[in-house]
Amino acid sequence: DIQMTQSPSSLSASVGDRVTITCRASLSISTYLNWYQQKPGKAPKLLLYAASSLQSGVPSRFSGSGSGTDFTLTITSLQPEDSATYYCQQSFTAPRTFGQGTKVEI
Amino acid sequence: EVQLVESGGGVVRPGGSLRLSCAASGFTFDDYGMNWVRQVPGKGLEWVSGINWNGGGSDYADSVKGRFTISRDNAKNSLYLQMNSLRAEDTALYHCARDRSTSSYFGMDVWGQGTTVTVSS
Repeated sequence: DIQMTQSPSSLSASVGDRVTITCRASLSISTYLNWYQQKPGKAPKLLLYAASSLQSGVPSRFSGSGSGTDFTLTITSLQPEDSATYYCQQSFTAPRTFGQGTKVEI
Repeated sequence: EVQLVESGGGVVRPGGSLRLSCAASGFTFDDYGMNWVRQVPGKGLEWVSGINWNGGGSDYADSVKGRFTISRDNAKNSLYLQMNSLRAEDTALYHCARDRSTSSYFGMDVWGQGTTVTVSS
């Protein structure tokens, strides 16, 4: 199975900050990498797919990059509503594994 | 409104069985692959199983392979997860989720709120 490792596990930042979360795959997954946001008590929400494509309705302050094994999620100008846990997930092959999550506190 | 609603969760003894259902509405169900994803409270997400649009292909996490079976009934706009030989570590909130496209490569864009499965003696 492909292992997905996120860093950091948690971070604290201020409104307006630029935040970067990294995700590393144990094998090359091309750009088959997705990012989700989950708030407490809610279902996950797809933010980006194919490493850098923004899902419809997601604010443009969210962006993604990377290919192969190393990926990043960047939030420019952090907003209070961005407080959540963020997960990466590879969809290159089954099982479609998730990273362990990064909790963003504001 | 595009919606997924899970049902069928409950409390079951170790070794027991349970069948989860997911009712889809607001979209053409047989245009999409579907998945089950679970989450232990306070922990991360675990992809459990996925099935393609016509039920002709399915995959499983190693942790459930041989015990769980995913299926769908496109005439009823429904997804199912038959869970046998349940273990304490299967205790979680189970979400159904829609593939973003006909392909499974591009994430899951619609999620249900989940149904809780508790395996306990």
